[in-house]
Amino acid sequence: QSALTQPASVSGSPGQSITISCTGTSSDVGSYNLVSWYQQHPGKAPKLMIYEGSKRPSGVSNRFSGSKSGNTASLTISGLQAEDEADYYCCSYAGSSTFKVVFGGGTKLTVL
Amino acid sequence: QVQLVQSGAEVKKPGASVKVSCKASGYTFTSYDINWVRQATGQGLEWMGWMNPNSGNTGYAQKFQGRVTMTRNTSISTAYMELSSLRSEDTAVYYCARGIVGAPNWFDPWGQGTLVTVSS
Repeated sequence: QSALTQPASVSGSPGQSITISCTGTSSDVGSYNLVSWYQQHPGKAPKLMIYEGSKRPSGVSNRFSGSKSGNTASLTISGLQAEDEADYYCCSYAGSSTFKVVFGGGTKLTVL
Repeated sequence: QVQLVQSGAEVKKPGASVKVSCKASGYTFTSYDINWVRQATGQGLEWMGWMNPNSGNTGYAQKFQGRVTMTRNTSISTAYMELSSLRSEDTAVYYCARGIVGAPNWFDPWGQGTLVTVSS
């Protein structure tokens, strides 16, 4: 069981928007604006898509956006494209006692 | 470009140890932490810990404390992760990833991954 809860799967048609939720607790997502999101295609290493809740690294499409409300972070992908089909993982800093980091269980995005 | 290149696949017997390397290029090795994350086949990502190449300081996830050791050789910009007392449940792809110093919360880029298979 993962520390952060994500839906197992979401789907959408090309051009549509989808949102993936990531629910944690007041000890992780709720306490820090330090949520990141990763895209992973089969057989590949994860790729950073969003960091510090809503910031996009250079080179990441502005179709990807992040937000947070309380203990839940969200990743929204607008204008869905076929190449967006992948697994998506959220991640949160969870305190300095052991510099703890927690991941979500991952969400499989299917572009119909 | 910033790149992390990991060592090749390993097959180990239960009870043995494995040491995976991660060579950094394209940036100042000592300016960022190196984190290690593993992924069992078909499963999610699991953070193992961090290592600061400048100081050598480390922080390990509670689950791995006592079994994992993260080190570095700054002269060749390479980080290492050694996991001991291997069991079948440790079979996974192990990734190194660059992170900021201090509060680890984002990882970029990631190495290509190293498959470690534990089997008798």
